[in-house]
Amino acid sequence: EPEVTQTPSHQVTQMGQEVILRCVPISNHLYFYWYRQILGQKVEFLVSFYNNEISEKSEIFDDQFSVERPDGSNFTLKIRSTKLEDSAMYFCASSLSGSSYTQYFGPGTRLTVL
Amino acid sequence: AQKITQTQPGMFVQEKEAVTLDCTYDTSDPSYGLFWYKQPSSGEMIFLIYQGSYDQQNATEGRYSLNFQKARKSANLVISASQLGDSAMYFCAMREYNNNDMRFGAGTRLTVKP
Repeated sequence: EPEVTQTPSHQVTQMGQEVILRCVPISNHLYFYWYRQILGQKVEFLVSFYNNEISEKSEIFDDQFSVERPDGSNFTLKIRSTKLEDSAMYFCASSLSGSSYTQYFGPGTRLTVL
Repeated sequence: AQKITQTQPGMFVQEKEAVTLDCTYDTSDPSYGLFWYKQPSSGEMIFLIYQGSYDQQNATEGRYSLNFQKARKSANLVISASQLGDSAMYFCAMREYNNNDMRFGAGTRLTVKP
């Protein structure tokens, strides 16, 4: 069964460093998303992406964040200058279409900022 | 604005018994989807079940069923014949038709006792 994959599973970085989190969505899906979950808290929406552009973003998704689909399979989240409070689990998700409600999540990348 | 409420931070159930996890929601959009995800200790988010706001019947997926009461704006998850592997965090989520983001509740930690 097709699934969303994410790499790395765990990333440790120093405060102020740039990180890139990678995702490979399900191959025939057209909508892509990033969510984050701070330890012990609820899952929060960051951004949605369709047709090579951001379709929606939350107030969390500030100028430090960017997303990109550099090729036909990868979908990346970049954090330009990490802060301690960026430490969280980051989930990538994809859905078949905008009218297809169900979003399928990847296994997550745990980001630790020291 | 969307709001998802899960009032049970933790629940216990005996193996082979049924358990109901509560979820209420608030939206002014007549078109929306309701979801339940399971998050085991390993951290991934596993899609369990989906209910559309216009669906006439309650959704079922194997041992999972969704008790959808539209007038009360509730979407409780029922797990029948609980298994030890059901021990996990369970998140209720909602997505409005016109939005790409999915909003999550705070989650319920289910523990299945042998």
